[in-house]
Amino acid sequence: SQTIHQWPATLVQPVGSPLSLECTVEGTSNPNLYWYRQAAGRGLQLLFYSVGIGQISSEVPQNLSASRPQDRQFILSSKKLLLSDSGFYLCAWSLGAGINEKLFFGSGTQLSVL
Amino acid sequence: AQKITQTQPGMFVQEKEAVTLDCTYDTSDPSYGLFWYKQPSSGEMIFLIYQGSYDQQNATEGRYSLNFQKARKSANLVISASQLGDSAMYFCAMREVNFNKFYFGSGTKLNVKP
Repeated sequence: SQTIHQWPATLVQPVGSPLSLECTVEGTSNPNLYWYRQAAGRGLQLLFYSVGIGQISSEVPQNLSASRPQDRQFILSSKKLLLSDSGFYLCAWSLGAGINEKLFFGSGTQLSVL
Repeated sequence: AQKITQTQPGMFVQEKEAVTLDCTYDTSDPSYGLFWYKQPSSGEMIFLIYQGSYDQQNATEGRYSLNFQKARKSANLVISASQLGDSAMYFCAMREVNFNKFYFGSGTKLNVKP
């Protein structure tokens, strides 16, 4: 069966520090991968998605970047964190492009930038 | 324009009663999928139910059903016989056939009262 791992679960970082969040998927090949951010009590904002190795689509211009160095690995990075980067970050995957292919989510990372 | 609109930021329902969570969507694509997810306070995203744009019947999954009105572009979630464990955020989402992106609404926070 397929599983998705996301770490760390919580992270407290000072303003201006770098960020690296990692997500890996097991049990499937060539998944579509996504990074979402959720502000407290709010909806999900799509940050990046990837349909293959090295293929990254950015939805929101900001100081975050994403990379997909391997088929089932998706990394969210920042060189210098801002206070506004605080939030709950969710990695997700789906198969194919069919309209019935649902999203499977990781357990999330709560990022606090102080 | 918003792709997914959820107009109820918060709702209360008495235990054992039914509740309807509203969702309207905007697309010109004839082929799309609609999803509902539940997010408990733990933060995990739990898939509840799916409805395809070409499905003739409303989807049902246990106590969850989707009231799909295509002409009105609405996909309301109905939870029957509410339980205390149903207290959570609920998100409506859409996937269009030509895109790999999932659009989410801002969510509805449901509180079930004993």
